[in-house]
Amino acid sequence: EAGVAQSPRYKIIEKRQSVAFWCNPISGHATLYWYQQILGQGPKLLIQFQNNGVVDDSQLPKDRFSAERLKGVDSTLKIQPAKLEDSAVYLCASSLVGGNTEAFFGQGTRLTVV
Amino acid sequence: GQNIDQPTEMTATEGAIVQINCTYQTSGFNGLFWYQQHAGEAPTFLSYNVLDGLEEKGRFSSFLSRSKGYSYLLLKELQMKDSASYLCAVQTGGSYIPTFGRGTSLIVHP
Repeated sequence: EAGVAQSPRYKIIEKRQSVAFWCNPISGHATLYWYQQILGQGPKLLIQFQNNGVVDDSQLPKDRFSAERLKGVDSTLKIQPAKLEDSAVYLCASSLVGGNTEAFFGQGTRLTVV
Repeated sequence: GQNIDQPTEMTATEGAIVQINCTYQTSGFNGLFWYQQHAGEAPTFLSYNVLDGLEEKGRFSSFLSRSKGYSYLLLKELQMKDSASYLCAVQTGGSYIPTFGRGTSLIVHP
């Protein structure tokens, strides 16, 4: 079974530039999550989708971050403009349903903002 | 909001037993996950507890007390490869929103 695919693996940008991350979840997984993980901390949920609808985006900084999952399959997360404090690993995860099932994580995108 | 507390770091000896605690204050508790994360890698699922008690899976066991807002992960017969960060995640609300603690970095030495 193919896992959660993310790209790119690494990205370095200057502050105020924009960047986009892509995620393809495991086939058949209705729930998709984007997490931000700063070094030394646990993952922080940015947004949770159920199919193509948003379940929770309460911690997404909406003035600069946006995410979409138009066809209920793959998803993109965008940052515009980036700030130094956005440097982190961005993890995408998926699960069968949003309930008591484990989430499978992708390898993540390591973003460095300079 | 949710408040999840774990020790920052623990050390243990190969072959020993270690217990990693997690305490939480939440509303609308649904369940609690434990994940393992090796440095530079993605988290991987270890266990899920929804009812009180102990769940055993090989060398790893997880315990939950909902009334006390407390869980622990027990690792037996420690191996060097168990050196990793262990993340406690609480799931809440009708939409099963997961919230992670900051993780416990476990160092296993010979």
